[in-house]
Amino acid sequence: ETGVTQTPRHLVMGMTNKKSLKCEQHLGHNAMYWYKQSAKKPLELMFVYNFKEQTENNSVPSRFSPECPNSSHLFLHLHTLQPEDSALYLCASSEQGLLGDNEQFFGPGTRLTVL
Amino acid sequence: AQTVTQSQPEMSVQEAETVTLSCTYDTSESDYYLFWYKQPPSRQMILVIRQEAYKQQNATENRFSVNFQKAAKSFSLKISDSQLGDAAMYFCAYRSLRDIQGAQKLVFGQGTRLTINP
Repeated sequence: ETGVTQTPRHLVMGMTNKKSLKCEQHLGHNAMYWYKQSAKKPLELMFVYNFKEQTENNSVPSRFSPECPNSSHLFLHLHTLQPEDSALYLCASSEQGLLGDNEQFFGPGTRLTVL
Repeated sequence: AQTVTQSQPEMSVQEAETVTLSCTYDTSESDYYLFWYKQPPSRQMILVIRQEAYKQQNATENRFSVNFQKAAKSFSLKISDSQLGDAAMYFCAYRSLRDIQGAQKLVFGQGTRLTINP
């Protein structure tokens, strides 16, 4: 596996289910991100982890719970979601540097549908 | 807070022709980075080109170039000799340098869907 991988690629869940999205990066990066991509809206940054520490929580509802056990893995735990949470969830990673211009590498995303 | 606006939800161009995608942004900062990302259908988003705000020279990557107008806060992407593989969603993004040692926080525009007509 190379780059940034995400599983599952597609997920359909009911509002009472609990599920988790997984992201893995094989690039040796030390920062990871969760984004939400909804139709006709800009990508929304949800969470940022820098050296495994959460440095950003962009006012995300508590029904989304991130976990970063190490610098290569990132999870997004989902519970009691709403239909409006249906979207493409993208994971990304980057290498932190003083210049801050390092490219973010994105995974293919998980297409989530909440019924 | 910074905002990024892409006013063209959709664009189309004939193969081999040139197309320009628009992007404007709002910021009070003087140092920052700007990016164009490409998201092909059902494929991963990739970086197309980046521009440092302190550089006056416009960035160029092969057939892709930008027109960076700092005073106007405009950052358009020009694609020359368009190819079928250029069909994708294109996102403009802004990166503040205020939190220079922190993780990157990109602010994205709404995207422009580019169609290439054979």
